[in-house]
Amino acid sequence: DVKVTQSSRYLVKRTGEKVFLECVQDMDHENMFWYRQDPGLGLRLIYFSYDVKMKEKGDIPEGYSVSREKKERFSLILESASTNQTSMYLCASSLFGTSTDTQYFGPGTRLTVL
Amino acid sequence: GEDVEQSLFLSVREGDSSVINCTYTDSSSTYLYWYKQEPGAGLQLLTYIFSNMDMKQDQRLTVLLNKKDKHLSLRIADTQTGDSAIYFCAERFTSGTYKYIFGTGTRLKVLA
Repeated sequence: DVKVTQSSRYLVKRTGEKVFLECVQDMDHENMFWYRQDPGLGLRLIYFSYDVKMKEKGDIPEGYSVSREKKERFSLILESASTNQTSMYLCASSLFGTSTDTQYFGPGTRLTVL
Repeated sequence: GEDVEQSLFLSVREGDSSVINCTYTDSSSTYLYWYKQEPGAGLQLLTYIFSNMDMKQDQRLTVLLNKKDKHLSLRIADTQTGDSAIYFCAERFTSGTYKYIFGTGTRLKVLA
């Protein structure tokens, strides 16, 4: 079974702090994704990566950056956290080239910015 | 623009059927998916349907696709309390990117 893990389930940070959210997958997937989930808005794509050191902006990249130095790890960085970044953050991965392109999700990190 | 819409809430009695609806905008989608999110957890793939299919059945789950109306539905037969969760539909874009568009999610509450 694919396993996607995220470094923290709950995180509380202060406005202006630099925040790192880490995601690791153990199935050698090429594609990795970061979403945020907010009530009534569903999932919105922040960034995705289709290979090591490759990244593309999603729909809401402002205020975020990402890093993919190794295939299994995809980090989301909030350079200077703000209260409007309080949200649930979900990481996902998928295998390139499969017909269904199923995404596998981690359990999520609930981030609160005070 | 790109948009996937769902109603936010659905409440059913245990043993009844649940029907969760979704409308999407990209007629060139190849796959459409249903994901389930239980409280405090990430999303888990329930089922998917290829865009050239009208229906797919998988045990208690039936997916219906109406391409003309861009309407996707998920029917859960004999709904159980363990089915209480948020259900997301998603479409996979065929524009050459790896992008999904997820719906807003429907919170299903099953009453005992």
